[in-house]
Amino acid sequence: GAVVSQHPSRVICKSGTSVKIECRSLDFQATTMFWYRQFPKQSLMLMATSNEGSKATYEQGVEKDKFLINHASLTLSTLTVTSAHPEDSSFYICSAQTSGGSETQYFGPGTRLLVL
Amino acid sequence: AQSVTQLDSHVSVSEGALVLLRCNYSSSVPPYLFWYVQYPNQGLQLLLKYTSAATLVKGINGFEAEFKKSETSFHLTKPSAHMSDAAEYFCAVGGGSQGNLIFGKGTKLSVKP
Repeated sequence: GAVVSQHPSRVICKSGTSVKIECRSLDFQATTMFWYRQFPKQSLMLMATSNEGSKATYEQGVEKDKFLINHASLTLSTLTVTSAHPEDSSFYICSAQTSGGSETQYFGPGTRLLVL
Repeated sequence: AQSVTQLDSHVSVSEGALVLLRCNYSSSVPPYLFWYVQYPNQGLQLLLKYTSAATLVKGINGFEAEFKKSETSFHLTKPSAHMSDAAEYFCAVGGGSQGNLIFGKGTKLSVKP
């Protein structure tokens, strides 16, 4: 149980285009989903927290107009990187949680984005 | 505010040797503490978590961690390393009102034959 999927697993795009990454909780309902970014050989940095049906809460320094997050249902959240640039190339990981506090976050396998 | 410090960026052990990965935390609220493992180009897999029940927590793959409030530590151990344990390990603290996790910088574990 508690499986989270991400699609695509790897994407290469041209600079200036937009890329959508999907995060799905396959066997549970996720009231909260988190989006992280991980640079090579570094830790995960939280980008935003999204609750189903409400606007995402972005961490300081993360551009909400560039990284659009939609949490339309209890099993799906999407991250759209708009007008991507090479510096947006990174490993994006989502996680899903049934509720706050002590509940475990279950992580997706990640999406490797390369912007040329 | 919450923070996590993983004291070693890289740990190397021989197969069969004890594994000790150190983690210290800071939290203004009762913490929930987690250890995750990440294999190359993959997401994170939960090894174990502490949520104020037993201070010695047993996880998957033979790993365990002990919560020591007096030392603000949550070190991860395994009695005997296996080659398949080679990976990146992340300690994380949660329990804040947002429900998000704060991660340490990670410890890369290498296992020598």
